[in-house]
Amino acid sequence: EAGVAQSPRYKIIEKRQSVAFWCNPISGHATLYWYQQILGQGPKLLIQFQNNGVVDDSQLPKDRFSAERLKGVDSTLKIQPAKLEDSAVYLCASSLVSGRTGELFFGEGSRLTVL
Amino acid sequence: DAKTTQPPSMDCAEGRAANLPCNHSTISGNEYVYWYRQIHSQGPQYIIHGLKNNETNEMASLIITEDRKSSTLILPHATLRDTAVYYCMLSGAGSYQLTFGKGTKLSVIP
Repeated sequence: EAGVAQSPRYKIIEKRQSVAFWCNPISGHATLYWYQQILGQGPKLLIQFQNNGVVDDSQLPKDRFSAERLKGVDSTLKIQPAKLEDSAVYLCASSLVSGRTGELFFGEGSRLTVL
Repeated sequence: DAKTTQPPSMDCAEGRAANLPCNHSTISGNEYVYWYRQIHSQGPQYIIHGLKNNETNEMASLIITEDRKSSTLILPHATLRDTAVYYCMLSGAGSYQLTFGKGTKLSVIP
């Protein structure tokens, strides 16, 4: 079974530029999450989708971050304009809606460096 | 804020059991205890979860105290590949939303 795919793995941009990250969840997983992990900290939830609807985006900085999940499958996370403090690893995860374990499957992440 | 408390770091000798504690004194009746780990430069990986009974799978055992205010993750025979940050978290049934703290950095020593 293929895992959660993310791209790009690494991205370096200058502040005020824009960047987009892509995530393809495990087939059949209705729930998709984006997490931000700053160096030395645990991941922080940015947004949770169920199918193509937003369940929770309370911690998403909406003035610069946006995310969409068209057709309830792939998702993109965009940052525009980027700030220095956005340097982090952006993790995508997916899960079954009614999974027996409630297990989240994470991708390897996209590492963003803002100069 | 994370609802669990874990020691920031622990060492364990290779081949010995690693016992990772977690305090969750404000746990609600419908909240599960979840454990994940994150190996360097990888995404977090699910290990195990439980409600009130002890649980065991191929990776680890989870011991939850009777009052559910604390738990221990046990890796029975730690290997070098178990070196990682281990996160203990709570999640309500069906919500599948996890709040990560800083976790415990486990170092397995040869």
